[in-house]
Amino acid sequence: QKEVEQNSGPLSVPEGAIASLNCTYSDRVSQSFFWYRQYSGKSPELIMSIYSNGDKEDGRFTAQLNKASQYVSLLIRDSQPSDSATYLCATQDTGFQKLVFGTGTRLLVSP
Amino acid sequence: NAGVTQTPKFQVLKTGQSMTLQCAQDMNHNSMYWYRQDPGMGLRLIYYSASEGTTDKGEVPNGYNVSRLNKREFSLRLESAAPSQTSVYFCASSEVSAGGRNEQFFGPGTRLTVL
Repeated sequence: QKEVEQNSGPLSVPEGAIASLNCTYSDRVSQSFFWYRQYSGKSPELIMSIYSNGDKEDGRFTAQLNKASQYVSLLIRDSQPSDSATYLCATQDTGFQKLVFGTGTRLLVSP
Repeated sequence: NAGVTQTPKFQVLKTGQSMTLQCAQDMNHNSMYWYRQDPGMGLRLIYYSASEGTTDKGEVPNGYNVSRLNKREFSLRLESAAPSQTSVYFCASSEVSAGGRNEQFFGPGTRLTVL
């Protein structure tokens, strides 16, 4: 069983700052990685997928993957109070059918 | 498109009662999943269905059964509810690509309390 580790937080950043969320995983053969955002009382929402080493940018979000070091990160530029949520990292299990989730990092963006 | 829908949104059961959680998706996805989410435990997979007609156990299947009724619908049944099954239940669906990529989309969840 793969494991995905995240710091539970909370990570507190001021409005306008860059928030950096990190995730490490245990299985060297993991190929696909996902970031979900979950507001309190709501369901997880897919915000980024990354499949190859390097950076992938989508608006204010950048996902970074380093397979050699077995970590994936999510950067949120110009953080807004509306970004306050729990961010879940997930990797795809062998056989592709299942995702393994971390327990999430709570982000708090203060005005 | 509604995406993934779940019913009911909230449910309170007494120990030993049974109930079925319903899930439907309109994205024509082949794969569907049931998760439970508990504080500090993250999302844990209960059962999944890779395609219509197939179901497989996930990480925490004990006490649950599932039915893939057709391509759109995937139900989760609790035959004899226990307080340990108090949780938030999420259904998800995905279309696993030829390259094996599995982007899952979640329903709004069912908050279940077992007394």
